[in-house]
Amino acid sequence: AQSVAQPEDQVNVAEGNPLTVKCTYSVSGNPYLFWYVQYPNRGLQFLLKYITGDNLVKGSYGFEAEFNKSQTSFHLKKPSALVSDSALYFCAVRRLHYGGSQGNLIFGKGTKLSVKP
Amino acid sequence: GAVVSQHPSRVICKSGTSVKIECRSLDFQATTMFWYRQFPKKSLMLMATSNEGSKATYEQGVEKDKFLINHASLTLSTLTVTSAHPEDSSFYICSARVGLRTDRAHGYTFGSGTRLTVV
Repeated sequence: AQSVAQPEDQVNVAEGNPLTVKCTYSVSGNPYLFWYVQYPNRGLQFLLKYITGDNLVKGSYGFEAEFNKSQTSFHLKKPSALVSDSALYFCAVRRLHYGGSQGNLIFGKGTKLSVKP
Repeated sequence: GAVVSQHPSRVICKSGTSVKIECRSLDFQATTMFWYRQFPKKSLMLMATSNEGSKATYEQGVEKDKFLINHASLTLSTLTVTSAHPEDSSFYICSARVGLRTDRAHGYTFGSGTRLTVV
């Protein structure tokens, strides 16, 4: 079965410091991986995705993620955190098509990022 | 581009009543819409997948008679919570798949969510 794990419930970072939000995945075959951010009582906003190609993916708002096949990881990173980055972050993998399924996303449990001034 | 408009953003209803949540694709045709439910401080759990013109596919454990999904057109999918109970209170989010081509910025686009409170 496909799954995504986000081992940290919360990550605390000081403004200006680099941040990392961890994600590991379990899939058969090549994964399609995504990162989304959610602000309170809002839907999800796309940050970046990995489908194929370069292992380092650059996304919105200065975020990037590195696909590591050997470690089955797709950690989200940013060189310098902002207070406005404080939000809930979700890692997701696309469910493989089967029996007519259209391939929904399977989400990790989410990691709350708190950036303090 | 690829915007999904979800309404209402917030609704409070009495136990036993029904509530309809709408998701409209504004600038594209959404042949497939996913409906998720999010519990407080929890991840998004897929409830069902709706395809335009056909019956929705429900995930295991989701009552299809309670959560009615209609996808009658390529731009509108609705979720109706029937005979709502307090335990149905949650945050509901729709999502449309906008394509899997690697040059598309968004593989999926999400509605802004509906906070349902049943009293």
